[in-house]
Amino acid sequence: DQQVKQNSPSLSVQEGRISILNCDYTNSMFDYFLWYKKYPAEGPTFLISISSIKDKNEDGRFTVFLNKSAKHLSLHIVPSQPGDSAVYFCAARNQGGKLIFGQGTELSVKP
Amino acid sequence: GAVVSQHPSWVICKSGTSVKIECRSLDFQATTMFWYRQFPKQSLMLMATSNEGSKATYEQGVEKDKFLINHASLTLSTLTVTSAHPEDSSFYICSAKGTTGELFFGEGSRLTVL
Repeated sequence: DQQVKQNSPSLSVQEGRISILNCDYTNSMFDYFLWYKKYPAEGPTFLISISSIKDKNEDGRFTVFLNKSAKHLSLHIVPSQPGDSAVYFCAARNQGGKLIFGQGTELSVKP
Repeated sequence: GAVVSQHPSWVICKSGTSVKIECRSLDFQATTMFWYRQFPKQSLMLMATSNEGSKATYEQGVEKDKFLINHASLTLSTLTVTSAHPEDSSFYICSAKGTTGELFFGEGSRLTVL
């Protein structure tokens, strides 16, 4: 039972353009959503988060949008840079405070 | 930022042996640490929650006798894969909860059981 899904395993974007990574979830009781970035041979690092009571959170080039009615969140990176190339995981926090992760999307930003 | 270190980062062992993986919070005390397992192209699956000074809480389907977790101090949690078999080969990642509640992840440990 995959409660958090990232249906695109990979995404390729040209440098300077917008990268949009998507995430869908099934549990309406999730109260907090996070995005993590992971480079090969390293652990995930926190990128940006959003509370379930908000629909947008912005931090520099990164913006996360939350659509609760559609149970969908997305991460926008603009402008995309080659250093953004990594695997991005979305995660949702359940009522017990545990994080449920998606499968990850590998972003490749080409110069 | 806070640093969490895992050791070893890569281990190969023979089937039937036990392997211990360490997770250390280097510059903060973590009363709670988490152990995850990741198969290729799949999500991080929470295995257990490790609380300092008490027994770990295991997720459904995770064998506690197979995956022994010890959280003996505020900076160290260990995961021991006992009597490892090839199906235990995976990428194991720990995370530690900082004082602000933020999670910091280790670099991960890749286990290959021959």
